Amino acid sequence: AQSVTQLGSHVSVSEGALVLLRCNYSSSVPPYLFWYVQYPNQGLQLLLKYTSAATLVKGINGFEAEFKKSETSFHLTKPSAHMSDAAEYFCAVSDRNQGGKLIFGQGTELSVKP
Amino acid sequence: ETGVTQSPTHLIKTRGQQVTLRCSSQSGHNTVSWYQQALGQGPQFIFQYYREEENGRGNFPPRFSGLQFPNYSSELNVNALELDDSALYLCASSLVFQDGTDTQYFGPGTRLTVL
Repeated sequence: AQSVTQLGSHVSVSEGALVLLRCNYSSSVPPYLFWYVQYPNQGLQLLLKYTSAATLVKGINGFEAEFKKSETSFHLTKPSAHMSDAAEYFCAVSDRNQGGKLIFGQGTELSVKP
Repeated sequence: ETGVTQSPTHLIKTRGQQVTLRCSSQSGHNTVSWYQQALGQGPQFIFQYYREEENGRGNFPPRFSGLQFPNYSSELNVNALELDDSALYLCASSLVFQDGTDTQYFGPGTRLTVL
């Protein structure tokens, strides 16, 4: 069975500091991995996705993630945090054996201090 | 903007009632998935429809049912509402390619409160 673990339910950084949100996955097949962001009272917005091409994936708003098979990780990073980055971030793995349903982690709330 | 719309935005029901939530998929997409997101949790997969047929179901009871229409819009129906059904319900549409890859684009959600 596939699963996702997000380490840290809450991360706080200062504006301009590095953002690092951690995600580890478990999958019996080569995974498709996603990062979504959710602003308060809104739906999920796709940040980036990995589908077995380049291991370093660039997304929107300056975010990127690196797929590391040996570590079963897909951590999300951004070199310099902005106040507007404050939101909930979800890592997800696609279960391609079940119609591509997404299995989400519990989420990490990112706070950005001025 | 993903092009996926959901209605209504908010809904309040009482225990035992029935509810229908609606979703309009992004143009050109052939697959719709529904997720339940309880407060403080990640979304949980309810079911998926591909070309009007159910194409996978999560760990939800039969009182959760759905439909997908020829124009790829969709409904989620929940019967005999329980307090624990209070959540944000998210619809996601996608276009499934031959190699199985797809990307799901989410609507803004419907916030259901059961009293």
